[in-house]
Amino acid sequence: EAGVTQFPSHSVIEKGQTVTLRCDPISGHDNLYWYRRVMGKEIKFLLHFVKESKQDESGMPNNRFLAERTGGTYSTLKVQPAELEDSGVYFCASSQGQGNTDTQYFGPGTRLTVL
Amino acid sequence: AQSVSQHNHHVILSEAASLELGCNYSYGGTVNLFWYVQYPGQHLQLLLKYFSGDPLVKGIKGFEAEFIKSKFSFNLRKPSVQWSDTAEYFCAVNGKGGNNRLAFGKGNQVVVIP
Repeated sequence: EAGVTQFPSHSVIEKGQTVTLRCDPISGHDNLYWYRRVMGKEIKFLLHFVKESKQDESGMPNNRFLAERTGGTYSTLKVQPAELEDSGVYFCASSQGQGNTDTQYFGPGTRLTVL
Repeated sequence: AQSVSQHNHHVILSEAASLELGCNYSYGGTVNLFWYVQYPGQHLQLLLKYFSGDPLVKGIKGFEAEFIKSKFSFNLRKPSVQWSDTAEYFCAVNGKGGNNRLAFGKGNQVVVIP
């Protein structure tokens, strides 16, 4: 069974540019999560999809971040325009069931550097 | 809001030594607790989790953790570490009956010297 995949693995952009990160969850997993780890800090929740619907987007930092999950399969996270403080590792995770004890399976992350 | 504290962010020890990583959480309700591990170059993966029952939980690779409700703690232990346990370890929590989002601690970078 393929795990959670993320693309790209690394992205280096300049301040003010746009970047789109992609996450492909494990097949059949309705729940998809985005998290971010800024250097030296803890991994922080951004948002949670159930199928194509945003269940919880309380962690999104501001309106420069837009997440979508069209069709309930893969998800994209767009940052527009990027700022220096957006640098970090963006993790995607997926889980199968609705319960909050379900294991969240993580992808390898996308390392974003904003110069 | 949930918060998780992990101390001793960098731990260096020799093979066969015992490991204990502390995790304390703050949350106004009952919780589910998780330990994740990230080996060098690999994904975050679940080591173990607790949501009910026996507070002593056994996970993969010989790890165990004990939930002590009165201390709001969920410490991770391994009696004898190996070089392959070199990794970053994360404690996480979510609220039972609440949403699914995990609140993580800052992580413990563990280096095991052969």
